[in-house]
Amino acid sequence: GAGVSQSPRYKVTKRGQDVTLRCDPISSHATLYWYQQALGQGPEFLTYFNYEAQPDKSGLPSDRFSAERPEGSISTLTIQRTEQRDSAMYRCASSPVVGGIGELFFGEGSRLTVL
Amino acid sequence: AQKVTQAQTEISVVEKEDVTLDCVYETRDTTYYLFWYKQPPSGELVFLIRRNSFDEQNEISGRYSWNFQKSTSSFNFTITASQVVDSAVYFCALSGSKTSYDKVIFGPGTSLSVIP
Repeated sequence: GAGVSQSPRYKVTKRGQDVTLRCDPISSHATLYWYQQALGQGPEFLTYFNYEAQPDKSGLPSDRFSAERPEGSISTLTIQRTEQRDSAMYRCASSPVVGGIGELFFGEGSRLTVL
Repeated sequence: AQKVTQAQTEISVVEKEDVTLDCVYETRDTTYYLFWYKQPPSGELVFLIRRNSFDEQNEISGRYSWNFQKSTSSFNFTITASQVVDSAVYFCALSGSKTSYDKVIFGPGTSLSVIP
């Protein structure tokens, strides 16, 4: 696609429910990132993919968080048994190069609210 | 560990004033990359510049300029003759070789308000 597309843009859920967020990166972009951004804070690294490989998931806050990119294109971020502290903007970004030296193209984000 | 510090949480300037946003980074990597991103009120994050650790030349792009000093681990961003459209949150970011270049770490951001 022309830009990074994320869905849903807004998600309100009850504590304990599972949530899946989707990211459709720019076509042919090799690297895809997930960040969590709390209000008034900078983006916090969660994980990234080089094509379908996931070399680093050290930023995932707990084992309730998981991400996939099975075909090296679209990615999903799943949060199981959501908690109120999971409320944040979740941002996806993609880059045409591997190695973190390229510009990150960010999507508009998915705002998650856990009641 | 890698870390990016932006000590200025909020800055307000009057239009046409110059303003400098500070960024101090920590890394044990000898090769690394530094970035600045802009987040306007609309919320999207927009890339401004990338600098690698071997290139200490200052860069100027229109009203924007960047001063990279390895000796003080700083990568400061100056806006000359600020405009209302410059109002945004600005993030400095770092990626390095030991932890993998792909792990781009962002600072907490500086919120700039330009008052007409």
